[in-house]
This record gives sequence, C-alpha cells and structure tokens, in this order.
Amino acid sequence: SQQGEEDPQALSIQEGENATMNCSYKTSINNLQWYRQNSGRGLVHLILIRSNEREKHSGRLRVTLDTSKKSSSLLITASRAADTASYFCATPRMDSSYKLIFGSGTRLLVRP
Amino acid sequence: DVKVTQSSRYLVKRTGEKVFLECVQDMDHENMFWYRQDPGLGLRLIYFSYDVKMKEKGDIPEGYSVSREKKERFSLILESASTNQTSMYLCASRSPVDTEAFFGQGTRLTVV
Repeated sequence: SQQGEEDPQALSIQEGENATMNCSYKTSINNLQWYRQNSGRGLVHLILIRSNEREKHSGRLRVTLDTSKKSSSLLITASRAADTASYFCATPRMDSSYKLIFGSGTRLLVRP
Repeated sequence: DVKVTQSSRYLVKRTGEKVFLECVQDMDHENMFWYRQDPGLGLRLIYFSYDVKMKEKGDIPEGYSVSREKKERFSLILESASTNQTSMYLCASRSPVDTEAFFGQGTRLTVV
C-alpha cells in the first residue's frame, strides 16, 4: 500500500522557474524523505525532514512539512535542465519496522 | 564513498527459470530492501531485511523470496520467473532506521 502520494504526477516548466511538488501520507511519521531518480537509474537521497521540523533548506531545495495535514512539499528554485528527473517522497512506517515506503513520484521536465 | 552494488544492470530470463538478483553494500548497514518499479506505480516494497537472516514481507512478496546470510549481501530470488515480473528492481540499504536509504543502480529484468 502506498504511504506517500505525490502530486502532480507530471510537471513541465521552463528553465529558471520554480517547481513545487507535494506529498501526502497516511500514518504517523518520525521523518519524511525526498529522493530524486534520473531516468533508468537508482534513487538518490535529497533531503530528510524530521517530524518536529516545519521547514528545511538545502541549496536550491526547500522542503516543508505539515504534520497536521499529513503533507509535505518540495520546492526547487531557479530550475535547470539538469533538474529533469522523477522525484519521490518516502516515509518510514513506524507501525511496521520502519519499512521505507515510497509514493508514485512526480516526473519533472525542465525545458531549456 | 558509500556503495550499493547490484550484480546486473540488464537481465533477460525465460519464463519458469529461477532468477537470482544480488545486492551488496559496503556500509555495514543493518537494513536492506528490495523494491520493484513499474511505470505509474512508483516503488513497491517486495521484501525488507532488518538484520542477518531476518526478513519481513513488503507489499508485494508473492512470487519472490529473499536470502540474507551475510550482513552485506541481500539476494532476491524469483522462484519461477513469469512475464509479469518484468520490471526494474532496486536494492537499498540504510542504518539506523530513521535515516536515508542508499540505492543501487537498478536491475532491469525482462522475462520472455
């Protein structure tokens, strides 16, 4: 069963614009993680936000977490063509050995 | 540099064959995961191992088994490959439970 669900499923923007992706989850969490996947490759961890944090920054990435709404957002500012990839949120299921459960992802296309 | 290595990038097998997918990590991580990834479905957890010889089923374990005889190696076994197991398979590891996961490069398996 999916723990995180990303929205939108696909996003196409122009280079230089900002990209925002959202993630909703179902159960209690102690952290939420965002990953990136280039086409046909493995996933790479981007950023982790803990349940007691509301916002976190890393370079051009900004992640917010709203535990009352069970949702998170990933903002990529000043996007580049190299940001073209799929982005996934993931949560460790506290009720199940902290299994890491992923959503279906957002495919981001940044047009040059 | 941390590393998770999957034994093959591409694999073609025949229906009914027994298939072994191998994953090795060099980070002394307790937790290891096997996911499959299909278009539009995101990453779905097949099996999870939280320590040597310990395993738990994920969301889609049917048709698969796993082996973890040594801490660094986690094998996924398709007992009798079927065409609906054609997919991208991703291995990951992490430690401790509430941190990020590291992924291998993926194995694209085609069952004909």
